[in-house]
Amino acid sequence: KAGVTQTPRYLIKTRGQQVTLSCSPISGHRSVSWYQQTPGQGLQFLFEYFSETQRNKGNFPGRFSGRQFSNSRSEMNVSTLELGDSALYLCASSSTGTGFQETQYFGPGTRLLVL
Amino acid sequence: QKEVEQNSGPLSVPEGAIASLNCTYSDRGSQSFFWYRQYSGKSPELIMSIYSNGDKEDGRFTAQLNKASQYVSLLIRDSQPSDSATYLCAVPTWGGATNKLIFGTGTLLAVQP
Repeated sequence: KAGVTQTPRYLIKTRGQQVTLSCSPISGHRSVSWYQQTPGQGLQFLFEYFSETQRNKGNFPGRFSGRQFSNSRSEMNVSTLELGDSALYLCASSSTGTGFQETQYFGPGTRLLVL
Repeated sequence: QKEVEQNSGPLSVPEGAIASLNCTYSDRGSQSFFWYRQYSGKSPELIMSIYSNGDKEDGRFTAQLNKASQYVSLLIRDSQPSDSATYLCAVPTWGGATNKLIFGTGTLLAVQP
């Protein structure tokens, strides 16, 4: 099975712009979670989608949003970029997102630099 | 108190030695625990998962869980320079209708040749 894919891999934006990141989960996986990783805060949960519905959301401002399509592919959007949004954005897929033994598999990430 | 705590390191061990990585968690109801390895500039990859008290072995890796003490550890036997990476402890936390992973800050392991 192909793994989780994310595009683009690298992105440079300026403050005030918006950005859209894409994630394709492992075939058959319907749950997609997004995480932000920064040196200061570590890995933090952004939100999770299943069957085109957001089921869980982390403590991030409303500038961070996402969606999921009927084929389980997901996008996240960050509007009005700030310098502090520079981070590695990771997408993880799992089968249903509800089993406590269920593994989340991470994609390669999108590294976003905001200037 | 943070939900998942790890010593940030760096933990330096000589090649061939046993590396011991530790993690404590605050939620007594936590049922499963995951260890991910992350090389610099790469994404996390799953190393081990453990759900029951005791030890679970997979090759050179052993995960140990003590729910009473809210403590989970990862032992790496015969450490190799290729094991040098950041090791992340992750605990699923139920949040409404789904689990989300809460990560520790990670322990940087450096294996000296």
